[in-house]
Amino acid sequence: EPEVTQTPSHQVTQMGQEVILRCVPISNHLYFYWYRQILGQKVEFLVSFYNNEISEKSEIFDDQFSVERPDGSNFTLKIRSTKLEDSAMYFCASSGVTGTEAFFGQGTRLTVV
Amino acid sequence: GQQLNQSPQSMFIQEGEDVSMNCTSSSIFNTWLWYKQDPGEGPVLLIALYKAGELTSNGRLTAQFGITRKDSFLNISASIPSDVGIYFCAGQLNFGNEKLTFGTGTRLTIIP
Repeated sequence: EPEVTQTPSHQVTQMGQEVILRCVPISNHLYFYWYRQILGQKVEFLVSFYNNEISEKSEIFDDQFSVERPDGSNFTLKIRSTKLEDSAMYFCASSGVTGTEAFFGQGTRLTVV
Repeated sequence: GQQLNQSPQSMFIQEGEDVSMNCTSSSIFNTWLWYKQDPGEGPVLLIALYKAGELTSNGRLTAQFGITRKDSFLNISASIPSDVGIYFCAGQLNFGNEKLTFGTGTRLTIIP
């Protein structure tokens, strides 16, 4: 069964460093998303991406964040200068032509120290 | 912003019992989805609902899209140990490329 895959599964970084989280969405999907989940809390929307551009972003997705689809398969989230409060699980998701049913990856646990 | 509140926050039940949980919103959604999350994993889609009043089943799971469009319900019949986890509702305002707003979650624990 097709699935969304994310790498790495766990990333530890020092405050102020740049991190890139990687995702391979389901191959025929058209809509791509990043969400995050702080430990013990609900899942929060960060950004959606369609047709090679951002279609919506949340207040969390400030200038420190960027997304890119560098080729036909990968979808990345970059955090330019990490802060302690960026520590969370980051989930990539994708959905098909209807853009409704989003399928999530297993997540990347980001720990900023 | 839109808020989705789930109740109960947690449930402790015995194996074989039926489970009911709900999700209420301060505003209307046009699509409701239910996800299950195991510890350290991503949310897994269980059921999607597209129409007010719709009742949809997936095995032992049944979900309903409330008539007011401001709520949804999930029932699990004859619970088994692998049902343990956190259940999240999620609402989507419009079709297509639309962010999901997640609920606060219901944690299900099965007592042996």
